[in-house]
Amino acid sequence: EVQLVESGGGLVQPGGSLRLSCAASGFTFSSYSMNWVRQAPGKGLEWVSYISSSSSTIYYADSVKGRFTISRDNAKNSLYLQMNSLRAEDTAVYYCARDFTYYYGSGFDPWGQGTLVTVSS
Amino acid sequence: QSALTQPASVSGSPGQSITISCTGTSSDVGGYNYVSWYQQHPGKAPKLMIYDVSNRPSGVSNRFSGSKSGNTASLTISGLQAEDEADYYCSSYTSSSTLVFGTGTKVTVL
Repeated sequence: EVQLVESGGGLVQPGGSLRLSCAASGFTFSSYSMNWVRQAPGKGLEWVSYISSSSSTIYYADSVKGRFTISRDNAKNSLYLQMNSLRAEDTAVYYCARDFTYYYGSGFDPWGQGTLVTVSS
Repeated sequence: QSALTQPASVSGSPGQSITISCTGTSSDVGGYNYVSWYQQHPGKAPKLMIYDVSNRPSGVSNRFSGSKSGNTASLTISGLQAEDEADYYCSSYTSSSTLVFGTGTKVTVL
């Protein structure tokens, strides 16, 4: 079964840091590009970041550029999101999601169950 | 990058057809055939329903169809069923090599 499981969410103070992880199973992780998508409570979806299968290409949304860093470890079948200088507006459920096909922009499937990040003092 | 524009809500009776629009610009929806649609039930992760404007992943009902004209993409649900009641989001690739989602549409089955 193809599965993505996020972890690492929690409560953090403004200005703090947090590292999210996403464990992949059931498919050849090293062959697929991956993404992070977030959803603030009661709000819509927001794409956060993309990383290609070999980590050679990385993109960020303007809202997180310079503060968040996406990375992956293909040997460990894992995706990461290092979040620094966190703000209240970063509060959201963070999902990891695989590119559905082998090219960027084709859509996301599957998705993980999400991990909640709350930025508050 | 501004979110793509979707109607806040759409409703229909069981068996009817409804269409959800997703309006962007020539820098996103209108410029690329990389539009996808997602269904999200409360408390659940989104599910891919349509990719590349009009393609259905295996396992998605053929009651769901997608299309695009100019800067506007559309998702049509035919033979509306109670289980279709959910939030729906479109997404598009952009000229900035980023991805953008729509504002979301709540579908209500009357």
